[in-house]
Amino acid sequence: DQQVKQNSPSLSVQEGRISILNCDYTNSMFDYFLWYKKYPAEGPTFLISISSIKDKNEDGRFTVFLNKSAKHLSLHIVPSQPGDSAVYFCAASGGYNTDKLIFGTGTRLQVFP
Amino acid sequence: DTEVTQTPKHLVMGMTNKKSLKCEQHMGHRAMYWYKQKAKKPPELMFVYSYEKLSINESVPSRFSPECPNSSLLNLHLHALQPEDSALYLCASGTSGDYEQYFGPGTRLTVT
Repeated sequence: DQQVKQNSPSLSVQEGRISILNCDYTNSMFDYFLWYKKYPAEGPTFLISISSIKDKNEDGRFTVFLNKSAKHLSLHIVPSQPGDSAVYFCAASGGYNTDKLIFGTGTRLQVFP
Repeated sequence: DTEVTQTPKHLVMGMTNKKSLKCEQHMGHRAMYWYKQKAKKPPELMFVYSYEKLSINESVPSRFSPECPNSSLLNLHLHALQPEDSALYLCASGTSGDYEQYFGPGTRLTVT
């Protein structure tokens, strides 16, 4: 049972444009959400997070939006750069155990010139 | 120091071997984690140590044995593994009670 889903396995975006990566979850107990970026042969790198008491969090080129009623979050990258090409995972946590992250299946983003 | 380090980077072992993976962090984090990641899949949590005590074991087979000698070090002892255990093993650390986890580069394990 996949509690966190990223339905787009890949996304291709032109440099300078906006990249929008989507994530859906099923467990209403989740109250904290994170995005990680992963390059090949490296561990995931923490990017940005959002608490369920907010609907938006911004950090430089990265903005995460949370729609609790739809159980949906998205990561916007503006402007996209070739160095953003990587696999992006969303992750969720909450309920009784804040130490446990449940990861989505990942979206491979390719930014082309 | 904002790094989580893992050794070795690559490991090839036979099904009868005993080996250990090592992880170290110097960020003062009191929670440390082991994850397993298969190709084209998300990381899957295996174990969590909080304040040097095992707090989560995600029903991992006993051929994987974690150890936390002190707050900076985390080991994963491997014995009698199966070829299907071949994967990228990731270590992470974080502040227990906070959500953000910081990952090392991983150990690529191949069981022959």
